[in-house]
Amino acid sequence: QQPVQSPQAVILREGEDAVINCSSSKALYSVHWYRQKHGEAPVFLMILLKGGEQKGHDKISASFNEKKQQSSLYLTASQLSYSGTYFCGTEVLDGLTFGKGTHLIIQP
Amino acid sequence: DAGITQSPRYKITETGRQVTLMCHQTWSHSYMFWYRQDLGHGLRLIYYSAAADITDKGEVPDGYVVSRSKTENFPLTLESATRSQTSVYFCASSPTKAPGTQHFGDGTRLSIL
Repeated sequence: QQPVQSPQAVILREGEDAVINCSSSKALYSVHWYRQKHGEAPVFLMILLKGGEQKGHDKISASFNEKKQQSSLYLTASQLSYSGTYFCGTEVLDGLTFGKGTHLIIQP
Repeated sequence: DAGITQSPRYKITETGRQVTLMCHQTWSHSYMFWYRQDLGHGLRLIYYSAAADITDKGEVPDGYVVSRSKTENFPLTLESATRSQTSVYFCASSPTKAPGTQHFGDGTRLSIL
């Protein structure tokens, strides 16, 4: 079953912060975050593993609450380059199933 | 150049026709995956392969066939295309199964009339 993401869309001014949430109805062993720009392939951001530490990538970080079966992606001091659609993915079989995505628009 | 390439990038075909989407990777990754991306549905796993000659169904395999005779190639075939299969198809590869990092191709936009 696909994870559920919220919000569906976010519009920010450059420099503002954003939080994107991902939740699942089943137990999670890992959560994957990808970003996709329009017309391009999804690009890997980070993986959070069960029992692992919070990850960070420049000003983008994420947390993983195993008990609540949730993950959150934090974008700090957003830049124009952060615009795109963010997907969280959870394990299904040997691959991933992704949420419907969160559209992030950064305005100057 | 090393990477994962999909062909064609765009394809228009008619209902009932057979169409094959190609995927080629140069990393010698063991795992390869096919996903479809539809508005309002995100990415869903169609088929995956752990190695040459080993393939398994994903979440939405109906109407699709895959093969993997060589490690580097993983073609996806729609044996009798239907309008509901209009979508953007992404191929991905990974050195391991999930939770390994997946590297995606640029996608094939398929329209079925």
